[in-house]
Amino acid sequence: GAVVSQHPSWVICKSGTSVKIECRSLDFQATTMFWYRQFPKQSLMLMATSNEGSKATYEQGVEKDKFLINHASLTLSTLTVTSAHPEDSSFYICSAKQQPWDSPLHFGNGTRLTVT
Amino acid sequence: QQQVKQSPQSLIVQKGGISIINCAYENTAFDYFPWYQQFPGKGPALLIAIRPDVSEKKEGRFTISFNKSAKQFSLHIMDSQPGDSATYFCAAGNPQGGSEKLVFGKGTKLTVNP
Repeated sequence: GAVVSQHPSWVICKSGTSVKIECRSLDFQATTMFWYRQFPKQSLMLMATSNEGSKATYEQGVEKDKFLINHASLTLSTLTVTSAHPEDSSFYICSAKQQPWDSPLHFGNGTRLTVT
Repeated sequence: QQQVKQSPQSLIVQKGGISIINCAYENTAFDYFPWYQQFPGKGPALLIAIRPDVSEKKEGRFTISFNKSAKQFSLHIMDSQPGDSATYFCAAGNPQGGSEKLVFGKGTKLTVNP
């Protein structure tokens, strides 16, 4: 089955620092990757859609300068939280989609970010 | 238009019972309806999905029922087990129409008591 690997699974950082989260599709090429944020006991909030070789499309209300997304290859997308603050603490999840159009969406195991 | 309404928010079922989670949508362009299962600290995992050309899809103990006219779909878990205790999310999308985004429901926390 299709596997999406997300790294790290958890990270603690100090306020003002930047954190990079990697999302890799291990056994398929992902033309599109999505980044979500999930607060405790809540649903997944889509942050942005990432397409290989082009700029990410951010959802309304998501700061593109704070959450930098790079989709460098068909198997790797990264999310960098810049100048992190405690309110950025959350569970970040990526997902990847392969062709054709009716292929399912596969999720990574998420990254728990805690900003102190 | 883009919302998917999911109920109940939480559900407690005895082992061996049937768990039923319901979702409703407004956007008639949606043509793909997956259900995801999420355990604490993990990402969601695809459980089962249905397209609007069928009214029911069954995979093992999990069944999706789909009512196109009512714009509703539901997940039935037969013979519920403690290992099924997780949060379940319904979702809807329109991949055939070129949109790869999924709209998620708010989730249902299922607890199956032994």
